Amino acid sequence: VELQESGPGLVKSSETLSLTCNVSGGSITTHYWSWIRQSPGRGLEWIGYMWHTGTTNYNPSLKSRVTISVGPSTNQFSLKLTSVTATDTAIYYCARHSYSGNNWFDSWGQGSPVTVSS
Amino acid sequence: DIVLTQSPHSLAVSLGERATINCKSSQTVLFSSNNMNYLAWYQQKPGQPPKLLMYWASTRESGVPDRFSGSGSGTEFTLTISSLQAEDVAVYFCQQYYDIPPTFGPGTKLEIK
Repeated sequence: VELQESGPGLVKSSETLSLTCNVSGGSITTHYWSWIRQSPGRGLEWIGYMWHTGTTNYNPSLKSRVTISVGPSTNQFSLKLTSVTATDTAIYYCARHSYSGNNWFDSWGQGSPVTVSS
Repeated sequence: DIVLTQSPHSLAVSLGERATINCKSSQTVLFSSNNMNYLAWYQQKPGQPPKLLMYWASTRESGVPDRFSGSGSGTEFTLTISSLQAEDVAVYFCQQYYDIPPTFGPGTKLEIK
């Protein structure tokens, strides 16, 4: 399976960050899928996961601002993070959960760097 | 949240020598009902995403060389590279999946001496 993130690399402060993950070589119906971000200041931070039926689970620290959903196209899923600030500047990865449904991540996208500007 | 700490922060080892990285959890990640440790290890090279090395603390992911091994239980874990190769230069992270949210350690940078 291959994962590829896409979306704007620059987002203005207070606006909404939107990213899409395209999954190829496999189906999103067979695994859980997560968004994870990495920054020098915060390290690796799990954002949340989804199941293809729409079930989600979010990091409590971000829950009020995060939506992860299926689409916009087949075998894609998306991340929306509202009201961004400079602390949301990071590389954003989409990742696949293990076959067993446990929350380790066996495949990752290459990452999408996002900078929040004022 | 479960907090993971790693030691050392960075490590320089000669080629062919053993490298040992430690990960300590703020609470147990051993699930008593199945006696499994909910801990994974990843390797990240510059410009690349993390790559899964190990899960259940000591089970190697498919394709990972057997010079990599994991050990430990409860709150203290170790990743060992038995004979360091040049391609092992990277940052290594531990991650717990015992609880939500899954959390990662801060990383250990491994270099060649």
